[in-house]
Amino acid sequence: AQKITQTQPGMFVQEKEAVTLDCTYDTSDQSYGLFWYKQPSSGEMIFLIYQGSYDEQNATEGRYSLNFQKARKSANLVISASQLGDSAMYFCAMRVLRGGATNKLIFGTGTLLAVQP
Amino acid sequence: ETGVTQSPTHLIKTRGQQVTLRCSSQSGHNTVSWYQQALGQGPQFIFQYYREEENGRGNFPPRFSGLQFPNYSSELNVNALELDDSALYLCASSSREDKNIQYFGAGTRLSVL
Repeated sequence: AQKITQTQPGMFVQEKEAVTLDCTYDTSDQSYGLFWYKQPSSGEMIFLIYQGSYDEQNATEGRYSLNFQKARKSANLVISASQLGDSAMYFCAMRVLRGGATNKLIFGTGTLLAVQP
Repeated sequence: ETGVTQSPTHLIKTRGQQVTLRCSSQSGHNTVSWYQQALGQGPQFIFQYYREEENGRGNFPPRFSGLQFPNYSSELNVNALELDDSALYLCASSSREDKNIQYFGAGTRLSVL
């Protein structure tokens, strides 16, 4: 079964510090994609970063980086230099690529990040 | 900010009624996916449309139906509303040319009384 697990319901971090949000996934497919989204209290799901299963290097987007460890099936999000505006719910998601068929995302339960001044 | 827009932003309905939610996809995106997000949970996939055809469906009953139009905008229709249908409904657009990354709108918050 395909599944995303986020074991941290909530996290605190001091402003300007780095924080790691954990994500593990389960799939028997060889081709898949991993995503992180940010959801502020307003509700919009904001795309942060993407990692393909065949990508050899870890993805980076500004202050966001994805620590991809394929053998351990983990895809942790690292946010460097946290800002107050980073306070939000963060979701890890997986997309399984199956020859052009359904391109759905499977989401974890999320981690609520609070950045403290 | 994405180019995906959803309307309305909020909606209140009573049990048994029908509702239509709308989504305009980002320019150049031909695929639209719909998700239901109950309070305190991650989004659950409802269905997806690609070039006006349904391209996969999640574990939702037939009273959840959809459409995609030639301009790739989409509608989600829910008949015979139940209390458990109260949720945030998210629409996402994507295209193969953009790694199929799904970009979401701000959602429609539906309350069923």
